[in-house]
Amino acid sequence: QLQLQESGSGLVKPSQTLSLTCAVSGGSISSGGYSWSWIRQPPGKGLEWIGYIYHSGSTYYNPSLKSRVTISVDRSKNQFSLKLSSVTAADTAVYYCARAGGSWEAMDAFDIWGQGTMVTVSS
Amino acid sequence: SSELTQDPAVSVALGQTVRITCQGDSLRSYYASWYQQKPGQAPVLVIYGKNNRPSGIPDRFSGSSSGNTASLTITGAQAEDEADYYCNSRDSSGNHRRYVVFGGGTKLTVL
Repeated sequence: QLQLQESGSGLVKPSQTLSLTCAVSGGSISSGGYSWSWIRQPPGKGLEWIGYIYHSGSTYYNPSLKSRVTISVDRSKNQFSLKLSSVTAADTAVYYCARAGGSWEAMDAFDIWGQGTMVTVSS
Repeated sequence: SSELTQDPAVSVALGQTVRITCQGDSLRSYYASWYQQKPGQAPVLVIYGKNNRPSGIPDRFSGSSSGNTASLTITGAQAEDEADYYCNSRDSSGNHRRYVVFGGGTKLTVL
């Protein structure tokens, strides 16, 4: 069964770059037909899609974050990563990685999620 | 970009039926997916597409759509259904058709 696991720094200083990795186990990140997303949730608030990368390597980012976000994939390690630059306190959130796809109906249905990792932006 | 609007809170008596709605222009073109999130846990997909339930999701959960509104219905709500529910879909505005949007979430209370 496919599983996702986030890892990375839990505390980032303002203006620095947040870096997280999502390890994929139980399946290949190179499987066609799926997208691999980062989604975040500030404390007590709702979900916000950050962006995704397709198995082809194409990336799409939330327009509100686009200038600061980079999502990349490392197929040799079966993982994908998030970098968010110039962070502020507003970027404090639980960050999730998730998979969507498998069919047209499921193209934006996130069926597998990591457990989430809390990232705090503070000096 | 498109937005998806949900009622902030809904309540239902134990065993009764409740409908949680999600409104947005993008729903005229794309299906909504629905997620259940309990405190301290990652969201869980409960409905996607026209009305599909992932394996393990009880059949008391169902989905429907009409015009710009998607609905998640719980028939015979159980105490364990108390949670936050989120919808999401594809953004249908202009050149944003590759982007994903989430609703603000609905807190369901089972009385």
